[in-house]
Amino acid sequence: GAVVSQHPSWVICKSGTSVKIECRSLDFQATTMFWYRQFPKQSLMLMATSNEGSKATYEQGVEKDKFLINHASLTLSTLTVTSAHPEDSSFYICSAVRLAGTSTDTQYFGPGTRLTVL
Amino acid sequence: AQKITQTQPGMFVQEKEAVTLDCTYDTSDPSYGLFWYKQPSSGEMIFLIYQGSYDQQNATEGRYSLNFQKARKSANLVISASQLGDSAMYFCAMRSLNTGFQKLVFGTGTRLLVSP
Repeated sequence: GAVVSQHPSWVICKSGTSVKIECRSLDFQATTMFWYRQFPKQSLMLMATSNEGSKATYEQGVEKDKFLINHASLTLSTLTVTSAHPEDSSFYICSAVRLAGTSTDTQYFGPGTRLTVL
Repeated sequence: AQKITQTQPGMFVQEKEAVTLDCTYDTSDPSYGLFWYKQPSSGEMIFLIYQGSYDQQNATEGRYSLNFQKARKSANLVISASQLGDSAMYFCAMRSLNTGFQKLVFGTGTRLLVSP
């Protein structure tokens, strides 16, 4: 099956620093990737839709300047948490959509990145 | 707007028994897809089963089956012969099948614990 990787799998940083999370589709090209955030014991909340070669579409309430998304190629999207604070500590999951896929199971999820901001 | 409701925060089942996880949805789209994902403690989202709104038959994938009742707007997941490895969070999700790839909307999830 399709594989999506995320790097790093976990990161601990100091308050005020920026953290970059990478999402890669390893064996297919993805024009669209999604970024989710999941707090403990809660559901996945969509943060933004990342489209290759264009600006990301952010969900209501998500700060564009804080969560920078860059989809520079068909296999890579990055999420940068700028000036991270403890409340940004969460589990971040990306997913990638296979090009010209069918309606079934065309969104493949990465393994997630656990961010802890001290 | 689309909405997914999972009313069971937690479910317990004994090994080898069947369990049903409830999911109801609300949408105004005539064409949509319903998904179930499993999320073990490792955090990865594992796709389990898919049901299209126009599919005539209920979807089945091994021990997983989806009890799709369109008029009731429900898409319950049935796991037969539960195994200890089935203990995880289970999320129901849906997306519109309109033109272009539409985003998934997730429910709040159900935590399933399978006991020996």
